[in-house]
Formats: sequence, structure tokens, C-alpha cells
Amino acid sequence: DGGITQSPKYLFRKEGQNVTLSCEQNLNHDAMYWYRQDPGQGLRLIYYSQIVNDFQKGDIAEGYSVSREKKESFPLTVTSAQKNPTAFYLCASRRGQGYNEQFFGPGTRLTVL
Amino acid sequence: QQQVKQSPQSLIVQKGGIPIINCAYENTAFDYFPWYQQFPGKGPALLIAIRPDVSEKKEGRFTISFNKSAKQFSLHIMDSQPGDSATYFCAASRHRTGNQFYFGTGTSLTVIP
Repeated sequence: DGGITQSPKYLFRKEGQNVTLSCEQNLNHDAMYWYRQDPGQGLRLIYYSQIVNDFQKGDIAEGYSVSREKKESFPLTVTSAQKNPTAFYLCASRRGQGYNEQFFGPGTRLTVL
Repeated sequence: QQQVKQSPQSLIVQKGGIPIINCAYENTAFDYFPWYQQFPGKGPALLIAIRPDVSEKKEGRFTISFNKSAKQFSLHIMDSQPGDSATYFCAASRHRTGNQFYFGTGTSLTVIP
């Protein structure tokens, strides 16, 4: 089955700890995205990557880091510098330039205690 | 600054009713306008999308109306069913350089049996 997988579905961490969220796609898509979703605020872009070894900051990149070493993988690290990390995190991918449709993974709910 | 403004925040209709969700945008460079449906705890799924060269697009019970001069577009759900109860997001991007998608804040729809 082709698609986007995110793991884990639920994640709990203590305040001050870094945590890495996994995102893998087997759609052979060039572009990948990370969004944060909070109640009443829609989806806000954290980082995106158009090709391997390249990525750009989105609107709320502070306190987050990413890497794109492989086409199919785009992990997101939530660092201790992120002031309010508890949220629902969504990974998405798009085939590439000129292709519109964006596909989303099932999401990871991160709770920082 | 919110690039795409969505209203209402929540909507309750009776089964068979026609809920209408509205979105407005400012950037005239946007030329791809998708709607996403999201169920609790799941990632958003593309429902229907429109390009500005048409004023209306219909897929099954879902219709997008697009008003280019007013920079507004809306989603109509015909003969709504309890299974349509979900959160709906509108979005906008630029087709050729569509590296970023800008999302509305979402509308929580409840269809009462």
C-alpha cells in the first residue's frame, strides 16, 4: 500500500527533552511538509522540503529542526526551545513541482508533561 | 497574518440540509484551492479542489463555488449525512510554484440525524 506513515501515534515527553517524530512515505514524492495543528488555528507550516538535502522554514519553525537525508523520510525534532510543544503534528507529501495534491499522514499527538 | 480566512468556525445542520462553508483570500497569485475533510484523530484528506478558470466544480454531493473577482470560494454539501460530521479546511496555493499551502482555521460540521 502506498502512503504516508507517522510514528508513533501518541508521544509523551517530559519538559526540556528533545523528541523526534517520524514521517515516511513510499509514494516517491519529492516534496514533504510538517504542519502543526492546534484547536481553532488550522494547520500551520513548520518546515518543508522540495528535494533531498534541502529544506526551508515555514511560518513557525522556531524550536523545531528537520533533516532530509533520504527521499522517503522527513523526521521532525521538537527541541526544548519550543515554548509550547503539545500539539497534533501532521506530515504531508506532494509529488513535486506542478503537481497540486498534497497527501497527509495520520498524525502524531505529542504531549509534553 | 491569515492568508486564508474561513467561516463559520462551527456549523450544525439537520440531516438533508446544505451546509455552506466560506473562505476568502487576498493573494491574487493563488490559483489552486482545495478543501480537506478531517475526522477526529486523523490526518486531513483531500475532498475536492478547484482552479480559478471555472466558477463551480461538483464531485458527488460536494460542490465548490468560486468567485474570482471577490476572491472568495465556498464548499456546499448537498443532502448532508451524519457521516459528513467532520472538520473542513479550505486552503490556497500557487500551482506552478506551490511550495506552500495556506490553510483556513477550519469549520467543525455536525450533521444531526
